[in-house]
Amino acid sequence: AQSVTQLGSHVSVSEGALVLLRCNYSSSVPPYLFWYVQYPNQGLQLLLKYTSAATLVKGINDFEAEFKKSETSFHLTKPSAHMSDAAEYFCAVSSQGGKLIFGQGTELSVKP
Amino acid sequence: DGGITQSPKYLFRKEGQNVTLSCEQNLNHDAMYWYRQDPGQGLRLIYYSQIVNDFQKGDIAEGYSVSREKKESFPLTVTSAQKNPTAFYLCASRTGNTHQGDTQYFGPGTRLTVL
Repeated sequence: AQSVTQLGSHVSVSEGALVLLRCNYSSSVPPYLFWYVQYPNQGLQLLLKYTSAATLVKGINDFEAEFKKSETSFHLTKPSAHMSDAAEYFCAVSSQGGKLIFGQGTELSVKP
Repeated sequence: DGGITQSPKYLFRKEGQNVTLSCEQNLNHDAMYWYRQDPGQGLRLIYYSQIVNDFQKGDIAEGYSVSREKKESFPLTVTSAQKNPTAFYLCASRTGNTHQGDTQYFGPGTRLTVL
């Protein structure tokens, strides 16, 4: 069975600091991995996805994530946090039928 | 504009009543999904449909029903059998039904509150 674990339900950074949101997955087959962002009372928006083409994936708004098979990780990073990055972030792995299995989410706060 | 619409945005229901949440997409996507979101629990799959006139139960289907009579529409009914229906409901669609790397696109969600 596939699963996703996001370490840290809440992360707080200062504006301009590095953002690091952690995601570990479990999958018996080569995974397809996704990061989504959700602003309050809105739907989810895709930030980036890994589909085996390249281990370092670049997404929107300067976010990127690196797939590390040996560590079963797909951590999300951004070099410099902006106030507008404050939101909830979800890591997900694709399963049979295209279903997504989500982690529990990490809420990112950005302090001025 | 292409996209996914959900209506209503906010919905209030009395206990014992059935209620139907609408989801429409004009992306020409084959597959559609319903998720439930509760604080601290991520998103959990309720039902999904990979093609018209066919759908499958997800992880938490009890107390819910769906139909897929048209490619564009995938309504979700929350029945009185659902013990704890207060939640944020998200609909999504996906272009293909075979490649797991295809992106799911999400609607804006419906917040259901049972009074």
